[in-house]
Amino acid sequence: QKEVEQDPGPLSVPEGAIVSLNCTYSNSAFQYFMWYRQYSRKGPELLMYTYSSGNKEDGRFTAQVDKSSKYISLFIRDSQPSDSATYLCAMSAIVQGAQKLVFGQGTRLTINP
Amino acid sequence: DAGVIQSPRHEVTEMGQEVTLRCKPISGHDYLFWYRQTMMRGLELLIYFNNNVPIDDSGMPEDRFSAKMPNASFSTLKIQPSEPRDSAVYFCASSFFLGHSSGNTIYFGEGSWLTVV
Repeated sequence: QKEVEQDPGPLSVPEGAIVSLNCTYSNSAFQYFMWYRQYSRKGPELLMYTYSSGNKEDGRFTAQVDKSSKYISLFIRDSQPSDSATYLCAMSAIVQGAQKLVFGQGTRLTINP
Repeated sequence: DAGVIQSPRHEVTEMGQEVTLRCKPISGHDYLFWYRQTMMRGLELLIYFNNNVPIDDSGMPEDRFSAKMPNASFSTLKIQPSEPRDSAVYFCASSFFLGHSSGNTIYFGEGSWLTVV
């Protein structure tokens, strides 16, 4: 079993829709939870991060973490064609004094005009 | 800052040839990571360095792969001999680990697209 599970999609929705992206994980040591966005033929870039459980909002994006269920989500409101990209969840913990970061496989999202 | 710089951006090589990928991390960053990305396996960590010292190379697939970081501003990932199954995008990334308050932000380069035929 992978430490981080993410549905690779693809996911296609109409412009303006609310998008929900999710990841589950198995390692309870993870404390930082991140979402990276990767445009075609580019490197991933950090979109949002949260520490421990709770919600964090940034404009049209909301990240949620439920540590009790080992489940994290990213919501995109009023989705735009420019949001079309691959979204990767990532989680980190300190293991033996060193950073351990694990990525999900990524969900490919297309917003149709 | 120019960000993480990788070269070459694209490489096509024949099976059995040596491939060297290069990376210049963001100045001042203490950590450097090499990742490989494929459709089937997603983004996989190959190796990472802290202050130029390799910390964890458990992700390196086999002895054909090697990585070095001779100084704080340069790293290489070498594949010798290359095989078709090595075809992938190889990303270099760097970060300045400040502890739990940092969010552990990692900055990626634009990748080196390798095709082995």
